[in-house]
Amino acid sequence: QSVLTQPSSASGTPGQRVTISCSGSNSNVRINTVNWYQHLPGAAPKLLIFSNDMRPSGVPDRFSGSKSGTSASLAISGLLSEDEADYYCSTWDDSLNGVVFGGGTKLTVL
Amino acid sequence: EVQLLESGGGLVQPGGSLRLSCAASGFTYNINAMSWVRQAPGKGLEWVSGISESGDATYYADSVKDRFTISRDNSKKMLYLQMNSLRVEDTALYYCAKVIWFGELTATFTYFFDHWGQGTLVTVSS
Repeated sequence: QSVLTQPSSASGTPGQRVTISCSGSNSNVRINTVNWYQHLPGAAPKLLIFSNDMRPSGVPDRFSGSKSGTSASLAISGLLSEDEADYYCSTWDDSLNGVVFGGGTKLTVL
Repeated sequence: EVQLLESGGGLVQPGGSLRLSCAASGFTYNINAMSWVRQAPGKGLEWVSGISESGDATYYADSVKDRFTISRDNSKKMLYLQMNSLRVEDTALYYCAKVIWFGELTATFTYFFDHWGQGTLVTVSS
């Protein structure tokens, strides 16, 4: 059971906008910033969003993040077939004194 | 270009030990914290351990505390994970990751992994 809760799956058609939620608690999401990673099969995970809503250089602006209270979201607009991957949210947990991840969301582009 | 190259994975029996290594290049190693993250077969990402820039502060997930030890050699730009008393559930692909963190003295802490290695596979089985 992961500390952060994500839907196990999400889907959309090319060009659509999809959102993936991440629910945490007062010891993690509420007080610390949330990050998002994209993980393609056979590849290393890739940082997509850090500090709730910041994109590293090279990440398209189709990807955006937000946070409110104990929940965070990743939005992907203009969905492409290459976006089909697993997506994970993550943050620091003050009670556990360590990093926590969501269980991951498998995004399917129909 | 940042590169992280893990090694040391393999097949080990339950109760055995293994030492993972991660060779870092392409960045100023001694001013970056580092971490290990793993992914068991068919499961999600799980943070294992982290270490500060100088190595004087270490952090562990409860699942590996008292069995795993993280360390680093800044002169060699190397990160290590000594894994003892291995269990079947430790079977996973282990990633080395470069850490960016800030906000320790504020109410909001930011800690994330901006670069990852390709991973080394650890299989614990009899």
